[in-house]
Amino acid sequence: SQTIHQWPATLVQPVGSPLSLECTVEGTSNPNLYWYRQAAGRGLQLLFYSVGIGQISSEVPQNLSASRPQDRQFILSSKKLLLSDSGFYLCAWSDGGGTSGRVGQFFGPGTRLTVL
Amino acid sequence: LAKTTQPISMDSYEGQEVNITCSHNNIATNDYITWYQQFPSQGPRFIIQGYKTKVTNEVASLFIPADRKSSTLSLPRVSLSDTAVYYCLANNSGGYQKVTFGTGTKLQVIP
Repeated sequence: SQTIHQWPATLVQPVGSPLSLECTVEGTSNPNLYWYRQAAGRGLQLLFYSVGIGQISSEVPQNLSASRPQDRQFILSSKKLLLSDSGFYLCAWSDGGGTSGRVGQFFGPGTRLTVL
Repeated sequence: LAKTTQPISMDSYEGQEVNITCSHNNIATNDYITWYQQFPSQGPRFIIQGYKTKVTNEVASLFIPADRKSSTLSLPRVSLSDTAVYYCLANNSGGYQKVTFGTGTKLQVIP
């Protein structure tokens, strides 16, 4: 079976500090990977997606970046956090090569980021 | 991307059947309708996906009319633990799925 991990679960960072959130997927190969952000009481905003190693597409302009150094690893980063970066960050995967037999997107537990 | 529209909120008593309708007038030929459930401080969880007619699994049923411009998620005999936000999406089934999660429908189950 497939599992998706995110860490840390919660994070409090000062404005201007760097950020690194990590997501890993187990039990499947060549997944499509996604980073979403959810503000309080709002829907999910797609930030980045990746269909393969080193292939990153950005959906919205921002001071965040993403990288995919390995097939099942997805990292969200920032050099300098802004107050507006606070939110609930979710990583998700979907079947990229038909190996899992599963449909839809599958989400990790999320990281609650508070920028002070 | 096909835009979806669903009610902002719904209330239901325990034990009742709940039907949440979603409209997607501009759904593309290759789009599927997918529903997710989200509890507070958790990521959305896939519930069900369908293309047309009726799909049923252990959690819910999904009804899609022939014109596919709307769909209805049916939750049988809801319990308090079904209180959550439910999202309706229209997206391609395979490969990269560029989807838009709106604000969903907040279902409150009342004792």
